[in-house]
Amino acid sequence: QKEVEQDPGPLSVPEGAIVSLNCTYSNSAFQYFMWYRQYSRKGPELLMYTYSSGNKEDGRFTAQVDKSSKYISLFIRDSQPSDSATYLCAIKSNYQLIWGAGTKLIIKP
Amino acid sequence: DVKVTQSSRYLVKRTGEKVFLECVQDMDHENMFWYRQDPGLGLRLIYFSYDVKMKEKGDIPEGYSVSREKKERFSLILESASTNQTSMYLCASSLLTRTDHYNEQFFGPGTRLTVL
Repeated sequence: QKEVEQDPGPLSVPEGAIVSLNCTYSNSAFQYFMWYRQYSRKGPELLMYTYSSGNKEDGRFTAQVDKSSKYISLFIRDSQPSDSATYLCAIKSNYQLIWGAGTKLIIKP
Repeated sequence: DVKVTQSSRYLVKRTGEKVFLECVQDMDHENMFWYRQDPGLGLRLIYFSYDVKMKEKGDIPEGYSVSREKKERFSLILESASTNQTSMYLCASSLLTRTDHYNEQFFGPGTRLTVL
């Protein structure tokens, strides 16, 4: 079993829809959870991070961690075509990050 | 504006060639990383360096070596390229790791390497 599991998609939704992206992880000791966004032909960029459990909101984006279920989510409200990208979850483990496979998201105008 | 640059965006090499990929960061970061990214597999760590001349193996170091002679520069070397090393290679840097911090990694644009 991989330490971090993420469905690679693609996930295609119409503009304006609420998007839910998810990852599961195996080690209950993890504390820092991140979402990176990667546009085509670019490197990933940090979108949001969360420490321990709970929610964090930034504009249209909400990151959520459920440590009891070992489940992390990224919600995008009022999705826009410019949100089309690959979204990677990453979890800090000692000195490195453990990455999900990345979900390719397509927002159709 | 923080910046990580990689020497080439696209490279085509032949099996058995020695390949050098270079990465430079201008943020005075201690940590530098080399990853490869393949569809459905996410980012896999090849090597990591936390200081000049220091290196640590990641998850998939076989067939690769690295060099860090200056703080800002981290090179990835494929001693004898093989077709299964065709991939996207991403370099990243971050501040020295702290247990009480998420330690954001900053990425370059990637090098798409094709080995024929």
